Amino acid sequence: NAGVTQTPKFQVLKTGQSMTLQCAQDMNHEYMSWYRQDPGMGLRLIHYSVGAGITDQGEVPNGYNVSRSTTEDFPLRLLSAAPSQTSVYFCASSPVTGTGSYGYTFGSGTRLTVV
Amino acid sequence: ILNVEQSPQSLHVQEGDSTNFTCSFPSSNFYALHWYRWETAKSPEALFVMTLNGDEKKKGRISATLNTKEGYSYLYIKGSQPEDSATYLCASNTGNQFYFGTGTSLTVIP
Repeated sequence: NAGVTQTPKFQVLKTGQSMTLQCAQDMNHEYMSWYRQDPGMGLRLIHYSVGAGITDQGEVPNGYNVSRSTTEDFPLRLLSAAPSQTSVYFCASSPVTGTGSYGYTFGSGTRLTVV
Repeated sequence: ILNVEQSPQSLHVQEGDSTNFTCSFPSSNFYALHWYRWETAKSPEALFVMTLNGDEKKKGRISATLNTKEGYSYLYIKGSQPEDSATYLCASNTGNQFYFGTGTSLTVIP
């Protein structure tokens, strides 16, 4: 059972470039989300999805797009990378939505540097 | 946005000491409170999920309590071991959005 798989693990981008961070889970979880982790800021929610075809914004959505065409996949797109998007990105999933009665399963993270 | 706060920010204890830290969160519209353990170079792992006022959960030497009326949760570690060294995160949600505290970094000195 692979759990939550994130790729790539490391990436360096130039300002203005675009890229997609991949996230896939094989646990049939309804809920998937993207967080970024910055020093002193903790984990901040970027976007989340409560099921295939449904996405919504979190706390810090600007500069990022998401889609959820299947239950398994939830890619995060950086449209035009900026140095402020240098961060560690985590994808997380959960079996159900709304109540929070299940813990998250996290991916291993993607360390992104924008120069 | 929920304001989830954790204290202390960091903690150093001797092996064998017991310790505890605090997570505070808004008590209105409460759904759930999660605790995660996050070791360096790894991903956060869920420790406890608590939803009811007065909940107490235990896993080995680690336990947690929840007070939803006053908006706080305590995490206790009994007889700390070096392998307990990690950052401990708490998170609370409003509907589908979970908000994390900045964590308590625990270092257990052998």
